[in-house]
Amino acid sequence: DSGVTQTPKHLITATGQRVTLRCSPRSGDLSVYWYQQSLDQGLQFLIQYYNGEERAKGNILERFSAQQFPDLHSELNLSSLELGDSALYFCASSLASNNEQYFGPGTRLTVT
Amino acid sequence: QKEVEQDPGPLSVPEGAIVSLNCTYSNSAFQYFMWYRQYSRKGPELLMYTYSSGNKEDGRFTAQVDKSSKYISLFIRDSQPSDSATYLCAPRRVGFQKLVFGTGTRLLVSP
Repeated sequence: DSGVTQTPKHLITATGQRVTLRCSPRSGDLSVYWYQQSLDQGLQFLIQYYNGEERAKGNILERFSAQQFPDLHSELNLSSLELGDSALYFCASSLASNNEQYFGPGTRLTVT
Repeated sequence: QKEVEQDPGPLSVPEGAIVSLNCTYSNSAFQYFMWYRQYSRKGPELLMYTYSSGNKEDGRFTAQVDKSSKYISLFIRDSQPSDSATYLCAPRRVGFQKLVFGTGTRLLVSP
């Protein structure tokens, strides 16, 4: 158990809908990262927050957004969902920006 | 060309074998090299990482980096059925938080 928690475990929704994925980092970690894992693309970095501020951005679509709250938990919002958004979404956390990243169990999103 | 390449496998070995898992990369700016293990439908688990070139050993696992050839290896000694998983290499640049993952190599260790 990495200490990173993610909810929900599974999410099934329809195209065009909006969902929110939640992540709680390990105790003491200030950085949160979001990754998407799909069969054809592998694990892709989406975005990173450090102590509430956006620190780095990867291949994140404009329909997706994230934030990190004062208690350091983070949410990833996915809107106008498409079939291709079906994937595993992982959150990772680290103590600072340059440390090892520890991954949560993921949220499996299925868009029908 | 992808930044990080891994043979997807599966790589099938008998219990007790020495396993060699490999990655190649194209970005010479990569300085940190992580290895993650991922069991089916679980989150990636950090196994070990190295900085720049050289070897690092942790129990049955040894990570090796050859920056001159842009080649990363993970060796597993005395492999166990519980080592059956997908192994992902993930290098990154100094000062950059983004991990660039390979597609992973699926390892199957039979009893």
